[in-house]
Amino acid sequence: EAQVTQNPRYLITVTGKKLTVTCSQNMNHEYMSWYRQDPGLGLRQIYYSMNVEVTDKGDVPEGYKVSRKEKRNFPLILESPSPNQTSLYFCASSLFRGTGLYNEQFFGPGTRLTVL
Amino acid sequence: EDQVTQSPEALRLQEGESSSLNCSYTVSGLRGLFWYRQDPGKGPEFLFTLYSAGEEKEKERLKATLTKKESFLHITAPKPEDSATYLCAVQVRSGGSNYKLTFGKGTLLTVNP
Repeated sequence: EAQVTQNPRYLITVTGKKLTVTCSQNMNHEYMSWYRQDPGLGLRQIYYSMNVEVTDKGDVPEGYKVSRKEKRNFPLILESPSPNQTSLYFCASSLFRGTGLYNEQFFGPGTRLTVL
Repeated sequence: EDQVTQSPEALRLQEGESSSLNCSYTVSGLRGLFWYRQDPGKGPEFLFTLYSAGEEKEKERLKATLTKKESFLHITAPKPEDSATYLCAVQVRSGGSNYKLTFGKGTLLTVNP
């Protein structure tokens, strides 16, 4: 089954404790992206990656890191989480052509993160 | 700065009452406009992609259209199961071979039986 998986689905942590949210896709997609969704602010892009070893900042990259060492995986790293990073996080993937995203993005089920 | 504005923020319809959702955008060099549906607590689900003004796409009770400044999602004879948040997103070239996606805040649609 074609899918994007995220782990963990729920996480409660404390300020300053490093954490990683994993994202994996089995569709051989070039493009992967991380979003956060907050009430009243909508879905905002954190980082995206066009392919292995190619990443770029989205609209809200501060406090986050990413890496793309393999095509299927795109982990999101919070080196020193703070309460303002409490949010619902989504990973997504898509085929990519030279002219941009090709058609739909597939979204993961989301990770609800609470930073105390 | 790229901007995507969706209206209305919320829309309540009676079953069978057709209406339209709006997505207006101010971007440099549109490379695609996407419509998604999102149910509470779930990831967005793809509906349509539109690439050029005048393009139209249909799926069941939904029809998406695109002009140079906005897109409409028309809902014909909606049913309660069409209740969801509808998101639009625009893709622009952000430099070199990179492309960026910007989402609107969404329209919360409620269809009452």
